[in-house]
Amino acid sequence: DQQVKQNSPSLSVQEGRISILNCDYTNSMFDYFLWYKKYPAEGPTFLISISSIKDKNEDGRFTVFLNKSAKHLSLHIVPSQPGDSAVYFCAASHNAGNMLTFGGGTRLMVKP
Amino acid sequence: NAGVTQTPKFQVLKTGQSMTLQCAQDMNHNSMYWYRQDPGMGLRLIYYSASEGTTDKGEVPNGYNVSRLNKREFSLRLESAAPSQTSVYFCASKKGPSSYEQYFGPGTRLTVT
Repeated sequence: DQQVKQNSPSLSVQEGRISILNCDYTNSMFDYFLWYKKYPAEGPTFLISISSIKDKNEDGRFTVFLNKSAKHLSLHIVPSQPGDSAVYFCAASHNAGNMLTFGGGTRLMVKP
Repeated sequence: NAGVTQTPKFQVLKTGQSMTLQCAQDMNHNSMYWYRQDPGMGLRLIYYSASEGTTDKGEVPNGYNVSRLNKREFSLRLESAAPSQTSVYFCASKKGPSSYEQYFGPGTRLTVT
């Protein structure tokens, strides 16, 4: 039973437009959420995070929104750039941050 | 700083063979982790070490053992490899209990035939 789900395996967006990546979770004990970006043949790199006590966090072109009542978070990238093409994983934390549960990932392709 | 390093980068094993995947970090982090990544499954936690001297099971520990050799190093051992263990293995570390961000190594691609 996947506690963190990314229902879109892939997303294609035109350069300069907004990319919206979605993530749903089932465990109400999750208290912190993170997004990671992964290029082929590399390890995931941390992108942005949000605590469960907030509903929005912004860092440059990246914004994460959290809707606790819907158990849903999303990552907005504006404007999208070809270098953003990668696999994006959302992750949720519990157990005082000792464990991360990852979604299956969404492959983003930004077309020039 | 190299961050998190993993050796080897690639490995092919025959069923029943054993091997150890090595991981080291130079960030003075307290916690270290081993994940496996399979297509469509995201990353699944195998084992973790919250601090030097402790290890705990994650979501998929069967068939694996770990050793936290010292603060820097955390190894993953497959005693008798099976084709189901074909995967990409990532090691990660984080500063300590009050932090959430984990920093990942480049991965080891393992094939078991």
